[in-house]
Amino acid sequence: DGGITQSPKYLFRKEGQNVTLSCEQNLNHDAMYWYRQDPGQGLRLIYYSQIVNDFQKGDIAEGYSVSREKKESFPLTVTSAQKNPTAFYLCASSMRRRGAGANVLTFGAGSRLTVL
Amino acid sequence: GNSVTQMEGPVTLSEEAFLTINCTYTATGYPSLFWYVQYPGEGLQLLLKATKADDKGSNKGFEATYRKETTSFHLEKGSVQVSDSAVYFCALSEGETSGSRLTFGEGTQLTVNP
Repeated sequence: DGGITQSPKYLFRKEGQNVTLSCEQNLNHDAMYWYRQDPGQGLRLIYYSQIVNDFQKGDIAEGYSVSREKKESFPLTVTSAQKNPTAFYLCASSMRRRGAGANVLTFGAGSRLTVL
Repeated sequence: GNSVTQMEGPVTLSEEAFLTINCTYTATGYPSLFWYVQYPGEGLQLLLKATKADDKGSNKGFEATYRKETTSFHLEKGSVQVSDSAVYFCALSEGETSGSRLTFGEGTQLTVNP
């Protein structure tokens, strides 16, 4: 079945350590996204990428970095510069086309990061 | 900029009750509107969408109508089930191409008791 796989599902790290969250999709989608979810705040966009080797900052990119070396993969690194990294991280993807279907996102199951 | 405002939760209903979750938006153009649902411990799933004024999106007994005059996209269901317990997010898109960013509301937690 096609879909998005995020790993790990749960991650614990010490303060000051960088951590990388994996996101892989086999939907042949061109665009991929990372969102952060905090209780009562909805989803906030961290980074997004429309094509391989290109990505743009979202609303809360500070303290995060991404790469898009392959169409299927869009890993997110939470760096030590991120002041409050404990959160639920969601990866998503969408098709590359114009029209009503272009903005429909498919989400992964999420990764919960806890910084001790 | 664009924004989405949802009714405050949590919402608690008895099985077979009528559900309304209010959603209003602010946008500069003519956005597409969406409702996503998140079950415990999972990612979000698209529930329904509408791409132009007066369109009605529907799925699994849920409905929402794109009202441009009131800038609203309220979610309704005539008879909720325990399995509908989840967090519901209203969202809008800024454009018509892939990579267009979605703006989400803060989410509304729904609990349905038997």
